[in-house]
Amino acid sequence: AQSVTQPDIHITVSEGASLELRCNYSYGATPYLFWYVQSPGQGLQLLLKYFSGDTLVQGIKGFEAEFKRSQSSFNLRKPSVHWSDAAEYFCAVGANTGTASKLTFGTGTRLQVTL
Amino acid sequence: DAGVIQSPRHEVTEMGQEVTLRCKPISGHDYLFWYRQTMMRGLELLIYFNNNVPIDDSGMPEDRFSAKMPNASFSTLKIQPSEPRDSAVYFCASRPGQGGYGYTFGSGTRLTVV
Repeated sequence: AQSVTQPDIHITVSEGASLELRCNYSYGATPYLFWYVQSPGQGLQLLLKYFSGDTLVQGIKGFEAEFKRSQSSFNLRKPSVHWSDAAEYFCAVGANTGTASKLTFGTGTRLQVTL
Repeated sequence: DAGVIQSPRHEVTEMGQEVTLRCKPISGHDYLFWYRQTMMRGLELLIYFNNNVPIDDSGMPEDRFSAKMPNASFSTLKIQPSEPRDSAVYFCASRPGQGGYGYTFGSGTRLTVV
């Protein structure tokens, strides 16, 4: 069965500092991988996704993530955080087989940005 | 496209009452998912549909929960009777036929059962 671990429940960074949110997955083959962001009172918005090709993926709002098969990781990065990035971030994994459909979400990392 | 539309945004009801949550997926999306989000359990998949057919309802907590998708543009999640422990944010999401595209989520329905 697929699973996702986000080891950091809460992270605080200063505005302008770099950010890395960790995500480790468990899946028997090459998975589909996603990062979503949730602002308070809102639904989840897709930041970026990986399903094949270049292992460094660019997303919206200046975020990027790198798929590392050897480490079963898909960490999210941003070189310079803005106060508006404060939100909860979810990593998700899905089966890369035909129409197998379920995404499994991690428990989320809450990002706080100090000014 | 207006995205995935959920109604109502907020629902407050008394224990024992029937609650119906509604979802309109993105046109052309073959899959529809119902998730529940709580502080304790995070995001839980309740049920999902493919081409209006329920595929996996193993996440539905009890018989009090039921979901239907009578056509490609509408789905409901019903709780009868509701209990305080059902209080949560319920999300609907849809996606196209190929898994690589990810889901599009609605804004959710915040349910409070008192």
